[in-house]
Amino acid sequence: EDKVVQSPLSLVVHEGDTVTLNCSYEVTNFRSLLWYKQEKKAPTFLFMLTSSGIEKKSGRLSSILDKKELFSILNITATQTGDSAVYLCASFMNRDDKIIFGKGTRLHILP
Amino acid sequence: NAGVMQNPRHLVRRRGQEARLRCSPMKGHSHVYWYRQLPEEGLKFMVYLQKENIIDESGMPKERFSAEFPKEGPSILRIQQVVRGDSAAYFCASSPRYQDEQYFGPGTRLTVT
Repeated sequence: EDKVVQSPLSLVVHEGDTVTLNCSYEVTNFRSLLWYKQEKKAPTFLFMLTSSGIEKKSGRLSSILDKKELFSILNITATQTGDSAVYLCASFMNRDDKIIFGKGTRLHILP
Repeated sequence: NAGVMQNPRHLVRRRGQEARLRCSPMKGHSHVYWYRQLPEEGLKFMVYLQKENIIDESGMPKERFSAEFPKEGPSILRIQQVVRGDSAAYFCASSPRYQDEQYFGPGTRLTVT
């Protein structure tokens, strides 16, 4: 059965800390992995990762994919209270037309 | 360029009524995905449509649920004879190309009383 597993399920850190969120996947015909940030509304797109070992960066956020070990990490450095959200990881499959989401990591940043 | 639009944002229906949820994709996007988010669960894929065609509906319940994306107008997710278990947030996402990054609408929160 295809699945995407995120860890930890929840995380509480202090402002300024660095966090690493994990996403492992077991899917047939893997094509790409996506990260989203969901606050009290719709998920907003962060990264799409297709190639192994190439880091993508956007400000304090970065992400990398390891296709051999079947996982991805999302790093957030110098966290701010505005980073508090649920971070979702999702996998696209090549042949199928659907996308599978993990259950998310709920991140809470304390001031 | 307006983002993905969904309406209504909140919908209350009594058990047995019909719910119609609308999604207008971003301009230039012809691929639409519908998802359901239940409390304490992640987003679950329901159906993928491309103008006038249902490409994959493997995530849709077999009964009472249907979706369409006509040539003109928004995509519609229709739930007939709603039950309490249908209460959830329903998100629509669109993309410009097959398996490209998806942009989500604000969602419709359906409450069945």
